[in-house]
Order: sequence, then structure tokens, then C-alpha cells
Amino acid sequence: AQKVTQAQTEISVVEKEDVTLDCVYETRDTTYYLFWYKQPPSGELVFLIRRNSFDEQNEISGRYSWNFQKSTSSFNFTITASQVVDSAVYFCALSYPGTYKYIFGTGTRLKVLA
Amino acid sequence: NAGVTQTPKFQVLKTGQSMTLQCAQDMNHEYMSWYRQDPGMGLRLIHYSVGAGITDQGEVPNGYNVSRSTTEDFPLRLLSAAPSQTSVYFCASIPRGGTGGETQYFGPGTRLLVL
Repeated sequence: AQKVTQAQTEISVVEKEDVTLDCVYETRDTTYYLFWYKQPPSGELVFLIRRNSFDEQNEISGRYSWNFQKSTSSFNFTITASQVVDSAVYFCALSYPGTYKYIFGTGTRLKVLA
Repeated sequence: NAGVTQTPKFQVLKTGQSMTLQCAQDMNHEYMSWYRQDPGMGLRLIHYSVGAGITDQGEVPNGYNVSRSTTEDFPLRLLSAAPSQTSVYFCASIPRGGTGGETQYFGPGTRLLVL
């Protein structure tokens, strides 16, 4: 089965705290792609990162970092020193070569309180 | 480039009415798709198209029709709206020539309320 699970429905943190959003995926394929998207209160979907299954290096982009672990089928997203502007719904998604279909998780709503 | 555009931004329908949600992209993208977003359910694929004249069903196609007469446009039709179709609809596209796993570009969304 192909599935993406974001078990955290909603997380609240106080500004400047670090927060990790979990993403666990299920697949039998050896080649696949993982994504994170951000949906701020304005509603649009903003692309954050794409990772293929052969690249297990962690990625850092400013305050954002991603930890890809094939051994646990996880692709977790950490925001360091969170800010109010990070408040959004974050989606993890899975895709494959030869198909344009994405499988989305149900999303995690992050609330960063001032 | 305007990217992926959707109209209208918001629409209220009565049960049984029909309407078309418009989606256009000016990036010459080959693949286009429609998703619906409902609380607690993430984004679910309704229909998709891999090129002009080619469409196929996604995960939740019932109640929706699509066509792809041009590369640029991919309208979504609701023939007889039902309250269960109240949702936020997103159109997305992927560049030409991909082999899968490419980044999708999303439109701003259309919020639909069916009374």
C-alpha cells in the first residue's frame, strides 16, 4: 500500500521554540519522491522541498531542516526558532517515477504563538 | 508568467446547480490535475490529464467531469452540485517531459459552498 501518515493533527508552540513535524510513508517501491508543502492562512500551497529516495542526506534551508530516514520510512521536518509566520498547515506527499500522481498526508496544523 | 490561475476564487451554489471551475497555466506544462481539500483529509486527486485530449480519473472522480482541449486549460465541471462537494479545489500542473516525481505547481484554489 502507498500511504503517507501525518499523525500530528495540530501542534502549538511558543515563538522561538523548535518544532518537528512528522511524516511516515509506506511504499514497496525503491524509487520514490517525497515532498513538503506549506499552506499558510491565505490558502495557497507553497512548495518547500523535494527529495528522492536515493538521497538520504539531510537538508537545511535557513531555519528549516529535513531528516530523511529510509530505515524508519520517515521524512520529518524541523523548524528551528519558530516564528508566528510559520503558522500554517504543512503537508507531506509521496510520488513515483512514471506517474504524476501525488499521495498526500492529511496535514499538520502548526500554530506558533507570540 | 502568471503560473497556474483559477477562477472563481469563491462560489456559492444551490444543490442541483451546475458550474465550471476554470484552471489555466501559461508555463506550457503537460500534466494538469484537480484536487479537493477537505478538513482532516488532505488533498485528494479528482481528475488529471497528461496532455491535450487525454484525461483520467483520480481517487474521487464521481460527480465531476473534465476535458483538456488545449495545453493551457483544464476546466472542472460539476453537473449537479451536491452539499458533499463543498470543498476547496486546487488545480496543479507539472512541466512537460517529466518522468514522475516532479514538483507540482498549484493554483490559488477555489472555495466552493453548496447549499
